[in-house]
Amino acid sequence: SQKIEQNSEALNIQEGKTATLTCNYTNYSPAYLQWYRQDPGRGPVFLLLIRENEKEKRKERLKVTFDTTLKQSLFHITASQPADSATYLCALPGGSYIPTFGRGTSLIVHP
Amino acid sequence: DGGITQSPKYLFRKEGQNVTLSCEQNLNHDAMYWYRQDPGQGLRLIYYSQIVNDFQKGDIAEGYSVSREKKESFPLTVTSAQKNPTAFYLCASSIGHRGYGNQPQHFGDGTRLSIL
Repeated sequence: SQKIEQNSEALNIQEGKTATLTCNYTNYSPAYLQWYRQDPGRGPVFLLLIRENEKEKRKERLKVTFDTTLKQSLFHITASQPADSATYLCALPGGSYIPTFGRGTSLIVHP
Repeated sequence: DGGITQSPKYLFRKEGQNVTLSCEQNLNHDAMYWYRQDPGQGLRLIYYSQIVNDFQKGDIAEGYSVSREKKESFPLTVTSAQKNPTAFYLCASSIGHRGYGNQPQHFGDGTRLSIL
């Protein structure tokens, strides 16, 4: 089964900087990869999906890259704001195509 | 506004008791899912349903049961057989997953279950 690795240590950055979060997987390259945001005590919210034939996807201040050679996706937030502080989860299709989620990385943006 | 509603937000279970968590969606989605989230862990799939009157076990189904009598509703029962039920339970839906595997999941805001 697919193993998903996200940095368990929180990422602390200053407001205005670019935050970069990493999602690594270990087995087959998935057809797509999703990123979600989760706030404390809330359910995850879908942010972006990137397909295997797409190198990069953008949405406002968000950018996702997908490198099937490195088996890695990078999630960038430019001009970060304290309101961006949350846990970010990546998800890949697992059995029966149901998304399998990583543990998430906590992002803390300091004013 | 369309979305998923989970209730209650907090639930307490006594020893030997079964409890049922509610999940309702008005997104007209075919597929619904239940996940369990423990501190520092990813979401683990308990059960999922592709269509009314059909559901499948996920990775950690033991001690849980579900029903799917209506498209909008997918309640989860945590039975007394589940020895470690304390967790954050999340319900999700998507348009469908077979043939729509790249569709995003829409989540409710969860139910936090604790043991008395």
